[in-house]
Amino acid sequence: DQQVKQNSPSLSVQEGRISILNCDYTNSMFDYFLWYKKYPAEGPTFLISISSIKDKNEDGRFTVFLNKSAKHLSLHIVPSQPGDSAVYFCAAPISGLFGYALNFGKGTSLLVTP
Amino acid sequence: DAGVIQSPRHEVTEMGQEVTLRCKPISGHNSLFWYRQTMMRGLELLIYFNNNVPIDDSGMPEDRFSAKMPNASFSTLKIQPSEPRDSAVYFCASSPDSVRAYEQYFGPGTRLTVT
Repeated sequence: DQQVKQNSPSLSVQEGRISILNCDYTNSMFDYFLWYKKYPAEGPTFLISISSIKDKNEDGRFTVFLNKSAKHLSLHIVPSQPGDSAVYFCAAPISGLFGYALNFGKGTSLLVTP
Repeated sequence: DAGVIQSPRHEVTEMGQEVTLRCKPISGHNSLFWYRQTMMRGLELLIYFNNNVPIDDSGMPEDRFSAKMPNASFSTLKIQPSEPRDSAVYFCASSPDSVRAYEQYFGPGTRLTVT
């Protein structure tokens, strides 16, 4: 049961332009979201996060927007650079009594062309 | 800090053989996670430990898979017997045990090929 969905498997953007990666979720109990970035032959690395009490979080060129009513979040990269070419995963934690687990989307492969 | 260490980085084995993947989490991290990445299913959680205790193994595909964490600095994921459909990249991740510590630190992964 995929509770975090990334419906675009790939995205191609020109250098300097904005990249917008989308993520939808079905579980209204999610109250925190994370984006991870993954280069080939490496593990995912944490990029940016947002709490459900906010609708925007910005870190340099990266901004995440959260629309709780639509159960939708997006990652904006402005301006996009060739080094941003990677797979981006959206994730949400599910807390249990003794810990939590991250529920990942399937990822969107971003290609930034010069 | 060396980060999360996984070994081997690549493993090629024949169907029916036993495979053991190893992970050393970041020192001081209390939670450890095993994930599997495939094209079809993306990144899926197999099992996670908190303070060396398995908390949720509902993601383990079947009895052929087992995981242990004998101490805070070492974990193994074993597949016995292995099958071609087990071919995937297996990641280990760790995180500190603090409130809202949702950020996980991933190792480089082990690419498993079962022929």
